[in-house]
Amino acid sequence: QQQVKQSPQSLIVQKGGISIINCAYENTAFDYFPWYQQFPGKGPALLIAIRPDVSEKKEGRFTISFNKSAKQFSLHIMDSQPGDSATYFCAASGDFGNEKLTFGTGTRLTIIP
Amino acid sequence: NAGVTQTPKFQVLKTGQSMTLQCAQDMNHNSMYWYRQDPGMGLRLIYYSASEGTTDKGEVPNGYNVSRLNKREFSLRLESAAPSQTSVYFCASSEAGYGSNQPQHFGDGTRLSIL
Repeated sequence: QQQVKQSPQSLIVQKGGISIINCAYENTAFDYFPWYQQFPGKGPALLIAIRPDVSEKKEGRFTISFNKSAKQFSLHIMDSQPGDSATYFCAASGDFGNEKLTFGTGTRLTIIP
Repeated sequence: NAGVTQTPKFQVLKTGQSMTLQCAQDMNHNSMYWYRQDPGMGLRLIYYSASEGTTDKGEVPNGYNVSRLNKREFSLRLESAAPSQTSVYFCASSEAGYGSNQPQHFGDGTRLSIL
């Protein structure tokens, strides 16, 4: 069963635009929600993460928005750049992030000039 | 500063052959993981090891075995490879600790094809 649903599967955004990727989860025991970024031929790398005690976390151009009641969270990339072109995975885990991560299916983001 | 190193990077096997994928980390992490990545399915956990000497099954363990050789090394073995095991395999490690929210650090993967 898929406990973390991610959409869209692929996304094309113009340079300078806002990229938005959405995830929804089912397990209310999840309490740690990271986003990973993966470039071709490389392993995923942690981009940004949030705990459910806050509704938003911002790091540079990257923002996570979190809606606990709806069991949804999203990644916003402001002023998207060609270097942001990558595959993005949302994930979730319980026990303050020390349990196993459950990943979404990934979003392939392409930023066009 | 190598981080997580996986060998080999590429491998082609015939159905029924066996193989061991190697993983080593130099960050003194306690926890290590093996994932497989397939198109449209994200990363799925095969096995993990919370500490040296312990291993546990993940979401898709069938057809695989693991060994936590020491704190640094965590290997994944395919005893009798099947075409369904064609995938990209990632090893990861993290410094587990309650309340620490430590990220998982990934290697660059092993691309495995089973003919």
